[in-house]
Amino acid sequence: EIVMTQSPAALSVSPGERATLSCRASQSLSSNLAWYQEKPGQAPRLLIFGASTRATGIPARFSGSGSGTEFTLTISSLQSEDFAVYYCQQYNNWPLTFGQGTKLDIK
Amino acid sequence: QVQLVQSGAEVKKPGASVKVSCKASGYTFSYAMHWVRQAPGQRLEWMGWINAGNTNTKYSPKFQGRVTITRDTSASTAYMELSSLRPEDTAVYYCARGIENLDVLTGYRLYYFDYWGQGTLVTVSS
Repeated sequence: EIVMTQSPAALSVSPGERATLSCRASQSLSSNLAWYQEKPGQAPRLLIFGASTRATGIPARFSGSGSGTEFTLTISSLQSEDFAVYYCQQYNNWPLTFGQGTKLDIK
Repeated sequence: QVQLVQSGAEVKKPGASVKVSCKASGYTFSYAMHWVRQAPGQRLEWMGWINAGNTNTKYSPKFQGRVTITRDTSASTAYMELSSLRPEDTAVYYCARGIENLDVLTGYRLYYFDYWGQGTLVTVSS
């Protein structure tokens, strides 16, 4: 099973600032990585697939990068609605696995 | 618009089974459907999937033997049944529409998820 490790576990950032979230895989994923945003009481929302392709309707302030085992989600200028938990998910091998999440909150 | 609407919360005793439904609308019911759960304070955990033709399923080794995923194409509904419930199965269970990705290097077809149901809380308690 591919183990996904996200860092940091929690991140405090002021609105308007930049946030950088990391995701590391225990083995190479090529670019088979997705990012999701989850808010309390809501289902996860797809942000990024293929490591760097924004899903439909996702604002340009969200960007993904990386390949192999190291990936990054960057939110360029945080808006109030961006404070949430973010998960990465690998789809390079079965079983599909998720990171433990990074909680992004307001500083 | 695409919607996945799940059945309501359940409370079950240890050893019982639970069956959660997921009704799809707004698209042709021809995508793979996956089930993912999230226990309190834990990461999302993939449980298994069923293909569009209702001919193929795959389960996480963790749940193999306890989970059964089915679908009724005529009703645009997928189902997840989990048996031999234990307190640690207390979680929110989600259905999620799978988008297939073909890795040209390995030939593997795996999935990420573009739409999710609202979640169903299953509580297992004596």
